[in-house]
Amino acid sequence: DAGITQSPRHKVTETGTPVTLRCHQTENHRYMYWYRQDPGHGLRLIHYSYGVKDTDKGEVSDGYSVSRSKTEDFLLTLESATSSQTSVYFCAISEIAGGDYGYTFGSGTRLTVV
Amino acid sequence: AQSVSQHNHHVILSEAASLELGCNYSYGGTVNLFWYVQYPGQHLQLLLKYFSGDPLVKGIKGFEAEFIKSKFSFNLRKPSVQWSDTAEYFCAVKSWDAGNMLTFGGGTRLMVKP
Repeated sequence: DAGITQSPRHKVTETGTPVTLRCHQTENHRYMYWYRQDPGHGLRLIHYSYGVKDTDKGEVSDGYSVSRSKTEDFLLTLESATSSQTSVYFCAISEIAGGDYGYTFGSGTRLTVV
Repeated sequence: AQSVSQHNHHVILSEAASLELGCNYSYGGTVNLFWYVQYPGQHLQLLLKYFSGDPLVKGIKGFEAEFIKSKFSFNLRKPSVQWSDTAEYFCAVKSWDAGNMLTFGGGTRLMVKP
């Protein structure tokens, strides 16, 4: 499979604590995305990046921040986790904006906020 | 607001039955269209995509989709499903008008009974 890994795979955290999820790619793709997947909502874009230090908000960015200091790493941070952020988080990469050849997805991080 | 709608949230079929999953979008202008599949416990994988040309697109595993511009639709079909097609299916649209990002529908969960 493509070189994209997410860590951790599972995490349980308490309300109010900060949480950072990591996405690491070895494909040297320019574009990276963070989505959350919730039943009935499909995948919703949280943030995306179009290069080192270049990021922008998606449709559900409130409560989340991102950083991309290196091409290969895209970090998603929940500054103060809330129960509504319990979800499965997927990272994706693409060579071209919007993924003309399709996105490549990571295996996901299942986050539970208690 | 621009959106992608998948009308069937859950579909149950018997093996060898024919499948059609609906997808409608509300974007104007030029669009690129995708279907992704997520098998249980796995990440999303690209099934097929449409950019231009023949509106009937063939993908992997015997799936096909038809783009009907006048109906803003991109329905997924398979003549004869197998138990191994049990998965969740997501339609996605990339529109220049929407910042070139992929927007996903809410997903359709397909269960194929042996």
